[in-house]
Amino acid sequence: DSGVTQTPKHLITATGQRVTLRCSPRSGDLSVYWYQQSLDQGLQFLIQYYNGEERAKGNILERFSAQQFPDLHSELNLSSLELGDSALYFCASSEMEGFLDTQYFGPGTRLTVL
Amino acid sequence: AQKVTQAQTEISVVEKEDVTLDCVYETRDTTYYLFWYKQPPSGELVFLIRRNSFDEQNEISGRYSWNFQKSTSSFNFTITASQVVDSAVYFCALSGSKDMRFGAGTRLTVKP
Repeated sequence: DSGVTQTPKHLITATGQRVTLRCSPRSGDLSVYWYQQSLDQGLQFLIQYYNGEERAKGNILERFSAQQFPDLHSELNLSSLELGDSALYFCASSEMEGFLDTQYFGPGTRLTVL
Repeated sequence: AQKVTQAQTEISVVEKEDVTLDCVYETRDTTYYLFWYKQPPSGELVFLIRRNSFDEQNEISGRYSWNFQKSTSSFNFTITASQVVDSAVYFCALSGSKDMRFGAGTRLTVKP
């Protein structure tokens, strides 16, 4: 158990809908990262927050957004969902701000868009 | 741009065999970190090791060992005396100043 929690574990929804994925980092970690794992794209970095502020952006679509709250939990919002958004979404956390720190991953949220 | 290549898509071995998973990386950063993660069938990503770009010492942890060679930009992972529980997808990753990149993963199947 990494100490990172993600809810829900599974999510099934329809095209065009909006969903919110939630992540709580390990105790003491200030950075939260979101990743998408799909069969065709592999594991891709989406976005990073540190202590409530956005720090880095990867291959995140404009339909996706995220935020980190004062209690350090983070939410990833996915809107106007398409079939291709079906994937496993991971949250990771680390103590420090940059990428030169070990990231510990949560169990993931499996999103299925029908 | 950073890139990680895991050329072996799938490897199948019989229990107790040794197996090496290859990882080759590209980066222009002088300071970077290399990682290995394990993804068992249950789906979570489990951290195995981190190595920084200035430390080329090999590391051994039980049946696991890692060989980092900067000259060939490789960070290979060896499992000695493999066990069925080692069956998983293994990812090599590279992090630098701006992001973290994962390889495509190597699916290891250990048969009894």
